[in-house]
Amino acid sequence: GDSVTQMEGPVTLSEEAFLTINCTYTATGYPSLFWYVQYPGEGLQLLLKATKADDKGSNKGFEATYRKETTSFHLEKGSVQVSDSAVYFCALSDRETGGFKTIFGAGTRLFVKA
Amino acid sequence: GAVVSQHPSWVICKSGTSVKIECRSLDFQATTMFWYRQFPKQSLMLMATSNEGSKATYEQGVEKDKFLINHASLTLSTLTVTSAHPEDSSFYICSARGPIAGARDTQYFGPGTRLTVL
Repeated sequence: GDSVTQMEGPVTLSEEAFLTINCTYTATGYPSLFWYVQYPGEGLQLLLKATKADDKGSNKGFEATYRKETTSFHLEKGSVQVSDSAVYFCALSDRETGGFKTIFGAGTRLFVKA
Repeated sequence: GAVVSQHPSWVICKSGTSVKIECRSLDFQATTMFWYRQFPKQSLMLMATSNEGSKATYEQGVEKDKFLINHASLTLSTLTVTSAHPEDSSFYICSARGPIAGARDTQYFGPGTRLTVL
């Protein structure tokens, strides 16, 4: 079945450092790929998405490129801020009978130090 | 756009009582709603999926008689935790999906409800 694997955390970085959170997936179809962010005590917010191969999703300085050849969707940001400290979830949504099924990765916790 | 609200944001109740959590899509029709449970520092655990007007589909291991889900309209789903016990204490998050142009495959999440059972 479909699955999402993302790097284990926590990831600890200093402010202005470069961020990469790896995400790979397995899917039988042609899924859409997502990154969600969860700030402490809150629900998940959609950060970015990509719906087909070679698409790049971007938002708030974060970006991720849909790589079909490596089945990856790594999240990157050139210069992190303390306010980026949160848990990041990679997810895929694949068509199934009657709709879509979304699979989430385990989440990666990011700490950014001032 | 695509805002989902939950109410209440937190609730404390005594063991044995029932608690109802509401999930509303504010600016779109939610043809499908999802209920998740999240333990501290862990990922989301899907509890059930509900389509408007039909019975919810529960994930394996989730007691349907304990976690009652109703999706009576295109903008409202409720989760009732019946006869709650301390082990039901958790963070409950709903999400919704609907016929939004370019985003039919996207789930939008509510802010979550923290339930504490004493």
